[in-house]
Amino acid sequence: KNQVEQSPQSLIILEGKNCTLQCNYTVSPFSNLRWYKQDTGRGPVSLTIMTFSENTKSNGRYTATLDADTKQSSLHITASQLSDSASYICVVSVGAGGTSYGKLTFGQGTILTVHP
Amino acid sequence: NAGVTQTPKFQVLKTGQSMTLQCAQDMNHNSMYWYRQDPGMGLRLIYYSASEGTTDKGEVPNGYNVSRLNKREFSLRLESAAPSQTSVYFCASSEAPGPVPSYNEQFFGPGTRLTVL
Repeated sequence: KNQVEQSPQSLIILEGKNCTLQCNYTVSPFSNLRWYKQDTGRGPVSLTIMTFSENTKSNGRYTATLDADTKQSSLHITASQLSDSASYICVVSVGAGGTSYGKLTFGQGTILTVHP
Repeated sequence: NAGVTQTPKFQVLKTGQSMTLQCAQDMNHNSMYWYRQDPGMGLRLIYYSASEGTTDKGEVPNGYNVSRLNKREFSLRLESAAPSQTSVYFCASSEAPGPVPSYNEQFFGPGTRLTVL
């Protein structure tokens, strides 16, 4: 069964600090992996996407890494801001040879709280 | 562009009542999806429509029906609501699944919070 597990479930950090969120997956065949940010009461919004041939991707203060051999990904947030408080969801797309079938497996999310 | 819009934002039903959740997108996307999000769980796919005129079951379709009214609109119907259907429902759309990763980015609506008493 395709699964995506995220850790930690929740995290509290102080504004300005860095943090790293983890994602392990058992999705097969693998097409790509996205990190989504979901603000409270809103729908998820894509932050980064990586295919099996990419091992790092940045979007401003967000940097995602992918190790396709160990089936692990991480999302690193640098110099956190209050607006980073949200749920971060790891999403893996089923596919083969770079072709996505459009079916996604979602992690349960990590709830990040940034305190002033 | 409004992106993906959903109505209503909130709804309370009694067990056995029916209702339809509406979703529309203005991005000319081919594929549309309905998900439910429950506490501590990842989003789960209820139904999807790969293109206008087609619909297919997802992971948790029981108790739901869908209609792809046209390319823009995709509705979700609960015929006889049950307390187990209390959840937040998200509609999403994507250009199409395919070989280019950007094509399968799913854009989500703001969600409908449904409570069934």
